[in-house]
Amino acid sequence: QVQLVQSGAEVKKPGASVKVSCKASGYTFTNHDIDWVRQAPGQGPEWMGWMNPDSGNTASAQKFRGRLTMTRDTSITTAYMELSSLTSEDTAVYYCAKVAQPRGDNYFDPWGQGTLVIVSS
Amino acid sequence: EKVMTQSPGTLSVSPGESATLSCRASESVSIKLAWYRQRPGQAPRLLIYDASTRATGIPARFSGSGSGTEFTLTINSLQSEDFAVYYCQQYNSWPLTFGGGTKVEIK
Repeated sequence: QVQLVQSGAEVKKPGASVKVSCKASGYTFTNHDIDWVRQAPGQGPEWMGWMNPDSGNTASAQKFRGRLTMTRDTSITTAYMELSSLTSEDTAVYYCAKVAQPRGDNYFDPWGQGTLVIVSS
Repeated sequence: EKVMTQSPGTLSVSPGESATLSCRASESVSIKLAWYRQRPGQAPRLLIYDASTRATGIPARFSGSGSGTEFTLTINSLQSEDFAVYYCQQYNSWPLTFGGGTKVEIK
């Protein structure tokens, strides 16, 4: 079955960076875009950015530009999200999500299980 | 960016009854609207896309309607697994945006 499995929880200090991995299986990795979405405690989801795993092209929300890097390793069907210059406001669960249709509109099915990132001194 | 507003914030419903959830967009998103269900401690799961199309494996008790700025998700005969938080998401334009959610709780 189609599955996205993310790396484990992280605790980081303010100013540090975090890198989250997302291992895809059950479908052709390069045919579907991968997006990253985060969810702060008690809040709705917040879209961060998008990556085409075939070309490596990316685009991100304005608020994350300059500190969000999305990459992939097609040989191991894994996507990565790195967020730098962390502050306490970056404490959230981070999700990777597969765009449902090949090169289709950006609604997501399925999502990874989520990675909790805590930023604390 | 397009702001998505969901109402009500919380809906109290008895098992077996129906629930109607609303989502309003600050500007038209055509039919580029998805609904997700999120159970505690889990990732969101796609229910509806293109405003009214059920995703694969989603039972017929879930239905979506609307276009432009006003959308509705109706859940008939609520089951135990349906007591959760529901989010709408627009994908008409960048940045993608989500609503703040409606929590459906047991009455």
